[in-house]
Amino acid sequence: NAGVTQTPKFQVLKTGQSMTLQCAQDMNHEYMSWYRQDPGMGLRLIHYSVGAGITDQGEVPNGYNVSRSTTEDFPLRLLSAAPSQTSVYFCASSYVQGANTEAFFGQGTRLTVV
Amino acid sequence: GENVEQHPSTLSVQEGDSAVIKCTYSDSASNYFPWYKQELGKRPQLIIDIRSNVGEKKDQRIAVTLNKTAKHFSLHITETQPEDSAVYFCAASTGDSTLTFGKGTMLLVSP
Repeated sequence: NAGVTQTPKFQVLKTGQSMTLQCAQDMNHEYMSWYRQDPGMGLRLIHYSVGAGITDQGEVPNGYNVSRSTTEDFPLRLLSAAPSQTSVYFCASSYVQGANTEAFFGQGTRLTVV
Repeated sequence: GENVEQHPSTLSVQEGDSAVIKCTYSDSASNYFPWYKQELGKRPQLIIDIRSNVGEKKDQRIAVTLNKTAKHFSLHITETQPEDSAVYFCAASTGDSTLTFGKGTMLLVSP
């Protein structure tokens, strides 16, 4: 099992450009999430999905779109990149077993917007 | 929504000492509290977790305690080693698949 795979690992965008960060998991997890990690800010939830066809906003959703057409894939779209979106992005998938919600993270995408 | 506070933001210890990281949460409905370790340039990985019906859990040199009444939980690392150096994140969840993370603690273990 590859676990959670994110592409690309690094990306530089110009302000105003759009792009899609890819995320795929092969663990058949129902739940998938996107987080951004900024220095001193921890991991903040952008969007999440509890199953194919269902998505919802997290703490910092503005400027990002998501869709979940299959259980395996959960892409994150930046509509019009801004310097404030310079960050490290992590995709995670998880299962819920009782109260447990262990998240498995991808390797991250380091995005720079200039 | 849930708010998780984590302290300290940095912690320096000598090898062999103990390290304690503390977190508080705001939502009394939270019932799952994991801790993640993130080494430099790597992804966060779960190291230990605790559910709200348990007060303490141990795994070798790592332990987590939970005080539901005070809404705080702590990570304890004993006999620290240089390879324990990393950023540690606490998190809380109500069991709805989303996690709210603290801002992280950078632990530095000096030989």
